[in-house]
Amino acid sequence: ELKVEQNPLFLSMQEGKNYTIYCNYSTTSDRLYWYRQDPGKSLESLFVLLSNGAVKQEGRLMASLDTKARLSTLHITAAVHDLSATYFCAVDARSMNSGYSTLTFGKGTMLLVSP
Amino acid sequence: ETGVTQSPTHLIKTRGQQVTLRCSSQSGHNTVSWYQQALGQGPQFIFQYYREEENGRGNFPPRFSGLQFPNYSSELNVNALELDDSALYLCASSLSDRVFNEQFFGPGTRLTVL
Repeated sequence: ELKVEQNPLFLSMQEGKNYTIYCNYSTTSDRLYWYRQDPGKSLESLFVLLSNGAVKQEGRLMASLDTKARLSTLHITAAVHDLSATYFCAVDARSMNSGYSTLTFGKGTMLLVSP
Repeated sequence: ETGVTQSPTHLIKTRGQQVTLRCSSQSGHNTVSWYQQALGQGPQFIFQYYREEENGRGNFPPRFSGLQFPNYSSELNVNALELDDSALYLCASSLSDRVFNEQFFGPGTRLTVL
């Protein structure tokens, strides 16, 4: 059974600071997604990482994937209040029998950025 | 291009009742996956439908069932509702090519069971 662990689960940081959210997973996969969720809302896709060594950046967020270590990171640079949200990583696991693909999510990291 | 839509937005039911949630997939997509997100948790996979057949299922009891229609829209049915069924239900559509199929999420249906 695929397990996806995120840490930290809660992160309170000041504006202007840098921090990294970690996502470890337990089985081989070369597809990993990062999502943002605002309270009461659905999931907003941030990054799709499709290969070992993939790095993607959008604004103050940068995501990377190391498939050998089964680790992805989401790095926040010079945080601003608007980044306050819950961030999820999700690993795409393909069934060996049916070939169908589904997402296994971490528990999420609640990020609170304060002045 | 129309995105994924879900109805209703919110729903309140009582224990023991039955509920049907609806999802319209994004134009051109042939696969719908359903997820349950309890408060404070990550979404959990319920099942997936591909070309009107259940293509895979997570660890949910049989009282969770679904359908996919020829236009690829989908329904999630839950019988004998329990308090723990209170959650945000998300559907996601994708185009299954068995190589890479990014899932696009709808806005969700918030179900409250009293």
